[in-house]
Amino acid sequence: AQSVTQLDSQVPVFEEAPVELRCNYSSSVSVYLFWYVQYPNQGLQLLLKYLSGSTLVKGINGFEAEFNKSQTSFHLRKPSVHISDTAEYFCVGRNAGNMLTFGGGTRLMVKP
Amino acid sequence: NAGVTQTPKFRVLKTGQSMTLLCAQDMNHEYMYWYRQDPGMGLRLIHYSVGEGTTAKGEVPDGYNVSRLKKQNFLLGLESAAPSQTSVYFCASSLAGYDEQYFGPGTRLTVT
Repeated sequence: AQSVTQLDSQVPVFEEAPVELRCNYSSSVSVYLFWYVQYPNQGLQLLLKYLSGSTLVKGINGFEAEFNKSQTSFHLRKPSVHISDTAEYFCVGRNAGNMLTFGGGTRLMVKP
Repeated sequence: NAGVTQTPKFRVLKTGQSMTLLCAQDMNHEYMYWYRQDPGMGLRLIHYSVGEGTTAKGEVPDGYNVSRLKKQNFLLGLESAAPSQTSVYFCASSLAGYDEQYFGPGTRLTVT
C-alpha cells in the first residue's frame, strides 16, 4: 500500500519569500500524486497532479511540484508567497484501488 | 452548479445519540466518499460508493453506516455517537474512480 509523509507540520514564511513544502511517498506500484489545498473553514481543492510525463507539474495560483522518482519525493514550491496562500496543504497519493491516501498536512503561515 | 454540499455545517451530540449527515452533489458523479479529518492525520476514508445503491468500507468504517439510495445523495449515519467520533467530516465526489475528487465544505461534529 502507498503511504505519504509530509515532513513539516507547519511552515512559517514571510510574504514574497519562496517556499517549499516537502512530501515523500512510498509505493511499489505506479505513482499518482496530488497536492490539495484547504483554506480556513473550507473544503479541499486540487492544486496540481502528477499522473505521468513531465516531472515538473504546474498548478494553480503559481504553485508547482517536482516528481523525483529516485528520492521518492513530490515537493511543492512557490517562488513568492502571498498572505492569501495561508492554508493547509495536503500531499495525496492514489493507490491501485483508486482510493486516496493523505499525508498529515502542512500548515503554511504567511506573515506580513 | 452548487457542486458538493453538506448538511449540517455544525453539530453537537451527546454520547449515545444518533445523527445523519447529508451529502449532495449536482455534477452527476458516480463515485462519492466520506472522510474524517483529525489533526495531524490528514483525511481518512470512512466509506465510499461507486454508484447508486452500492457502498463499500474504507479505512476507518467502524461506528458508521452509509446509504446511497439516490445517485446525487450519500448519507453518513452514526447510530451511537462516541467522543472518538469528534471530527470534521468531508464528503467528496468524482466522475470515475481515477478522476479528481471534489470536496464539500465539511461538517464539524462534537460529541460530548
